[in-house]
Amino acid sequence: DQQVKQNSPSLSVQEGRISILNCDYTNSMFDYFLWYKKYPAEGPTFLISISSIKDKNEDGRFTVFLNKSAKHLSLHIVPSQPGDSAVYFCAASAGDTNAGKSTFGDGTTLTVKP
Amino acid sequence: ETGVTQSPTHLIKTRGQQVTLRCSSQSGHNTVSWYQQALGQGPQFIFQYYREEENGRGNFPPRFSGLQFPNYSSELNVNALELDDSALYLCASSMNTDTQYFGPGTRLTVL
Repeated sequence: DQQVKQNSPSLSVQEGRISILNCDYTNSMFDYFLWYKKYPAEGPTFLISISSIKDKNEDGRFTVFLNKSAKHLSLHIVPSQPGDSAVYFCAASAGDTNAGKSTFGDGTTLTVKP
Repeated sequence: ETGVTQSPTHLIKTRGQQVTLRCSSQSGHNTVSWYQQALGQGPQFIFQYYREEENGRGNFPPRFSGLQFPNYSSELNVNALELDDSALYLCASSMNTDTQYFGPGTRLTVL
């Protein structure tokens, strides 16, 4: 039973447009969520996180939205740039102190076309 | 400042053999987590070490074991290798529960 799901394996957007990556979770104990970006031959890199006490967190071009009732979160990238092309992983944990033991989704490959 | 490094980069073993993977934490980091990433899947948490003690374990059998040394570098040992152990093994270090920094991984192939 996969507790964190990223139902879109891939997403293609035009440079300058918005990219929206989605993630669903089933475990009600999860209250801390993270997004990572991964380039080929590199390890994942932390992008942005959100605690369940918030419904939105922004960092530059990246915004994460959390809908606790729907157990759904999304990552918005505006505007998208070709350098954003990578695999994006959603991850969840029970408490921010357990972020190092997160449950990951299977990732969404984002391609931003010039 | 040196980032997280892992060795070897690639490794080929046969079923039943044992393997040791190594991870050097980022300078100043006292916590290391190990993950297994099978092809087409996300990283799956194996275990975490904090100041040389195991601090949480995922759903992996006991033949997956680890060590953290006084300099906070770490090893992942896998005994009695199975074909399904073929994967990318990632380690990530952090200072306590702060942001994790991942290494590039070790690609293990079991034949």
